Amino acid sequence: SQQGEEDPQALSIQEGENATMNCSYKTSINNLQWYRQNSGRGLVHLILIRSNEREKHSGRLRVTLDTSKKSSSLLITASRAADTASYFCATVETTSGTYKYIFGTGTRLKVLA
Amino acid sequence: NAGVTQTPKFRVLKTGQSMTLLCAQDMNHEYMYWYRQDPGMGLRLIHYSVGEGTTAKGEVPDGYNVSRLKKQNFLLGLESAAPSQTSVYFCASSYSRAEKLFFGSGTQLSVL
Repeated sequence: SQQGEEDPQALSIQEGENATMNCSYKTSINNLQWYRQNSGRGLVHLILIRSNEREKHSGRLRVTLDTSKKSSSLLITASRAADTASYFCATVETTSGTYKYIFGTGTRLKVLA
Repeated sequence: NAGVTQTPKFRVLKTGQSMTLLCAQDMNHEYMYWYRQDPGMGLRLIHYSVGEGTTAKGEVPDGYNVSRLKKQNFLLGLESAAPSQTSVYFCASSYSRAEKLFFGSGTQLSVL
């Protein structure tokens, strides 16, 4: 099945630096969502951007969406050790009236104190 | 609110045994989902439900059955466990279609 693909697979940065993760997908979407997963825990929703939006902010998070390139990026500014987690994008696709969430394989972010 | 609660958190089965995973949500959500998460595979949808009494197959439904007898509960059953079903299972719910998902904390299942 089609999947969003995150890039990079792993990222290690110093506290205070910015972290950028990218997600590419293959089909038309209704919206794109980003989730965070701490080790051994469930996924937590971070932000949702709809197909007619280009940029969205939430606290230290900035998400962009380029539907012409079928790609999105998640920027975490002024990163903290607590941001260490895996980050997943999920595209919501419409097929024959039903909605499917397609998750990528994630970016593992490590923020060094 | 507890959100989405999954039980049990850990389970070890022998090949051929059966078990049921329980998911409960207290947010009055219509939509509920079961996913499995395997290394390098992302989350894959097993089954989902768009309301009480309804279920539908997802991407990887073989070997699993589900029931949604009450709006707040979504059960995932393994009739005859196989080692390929070793995985972490997540339940999720959403208020409406295409909106954000609320996840449980997961069930780590090992089939020996």
